[in-house]
Amino acid sequence: GAGVSQSPSNKVTEKGKDVELRCDPISGHTALYWYRQSLGQGLEFLIYFQGNSAPDKSGLPSDRFSAERTGGSVSTLTIQRTQQEDSAVYLCASSPPSRNTQYFGPGTRLTVL
Amino acid sequence: AQSVTQLGSHVSVSEGALVLLRCNYSSSVPPYLFWYVQYPNQGLQLLLKYTTGATLVKGINGFEAEFKKSETSFHLTKPSAHMSDAAEYFCAVSVDDYKLSFGAGTTVTVRA
Repeated sequence: GAGVSQSPSNKVTEKGKDVELRCDPISGHTALYWYRQSLGQGLEFLIYFQGNSAPDKSGLPSDRFSAERTGGSVSTLTIQRTQQEDSAVYLCASSPPSRNTQYFGPGTRLTVL
Repeated sequence: AQSVTQLGSHVSVSEGALVLLRCNYSSSVPPYLFWYVQYPNQGLQLLLKYTTGATLVKGINGFEAEFKKSETSFHLTKPSAHMSDAAEYFCAVSVDDYKLSFGAGTTVTVRA
């Protein structure tokens, strides 16, 4: 079946601009996660959505970062006023109700000039 | 809080040789443990996981790992390396059933 998809695959933006990254989880998966993979920090948890519960935003690095999940499916990660240190690969994952296995998408590579 | 340490950022093995990737974790409660593999320009793919029960876990592509509570380790092995095993491998731990904490990763190269 179809896996987790993310768009765009690559995004180049200028410092100070806002960007939106999209994630389509696997159908039927109730949980959705965002992670960031950067050279300096490795793989970091950003945010977690589970059904209609309040999201766990504990990993978001600053208030410039936000995410929403509409209709319990598609999610958008928004970065406002991008900075060069935001350059990274942003990975999305989803998991079924059992939660203990996360399936990852191919990621969006963000470059901030 | 939990954390993961992967010993060795880069491992080079000959084709047909044993692959051994080391992972140690710290956790105040029984953890869930995972190994993921990442091929160039791709996302993470689950190799295997330990949740409860049998401590020797078999995964895809001939990999296996053993959970050793006394040593707080979850080392990954494969008896015979193949060229297609060249990739980056990440060990991860979760104690709350959702948030993964990853190690820094180990890049494996396979020599012909």
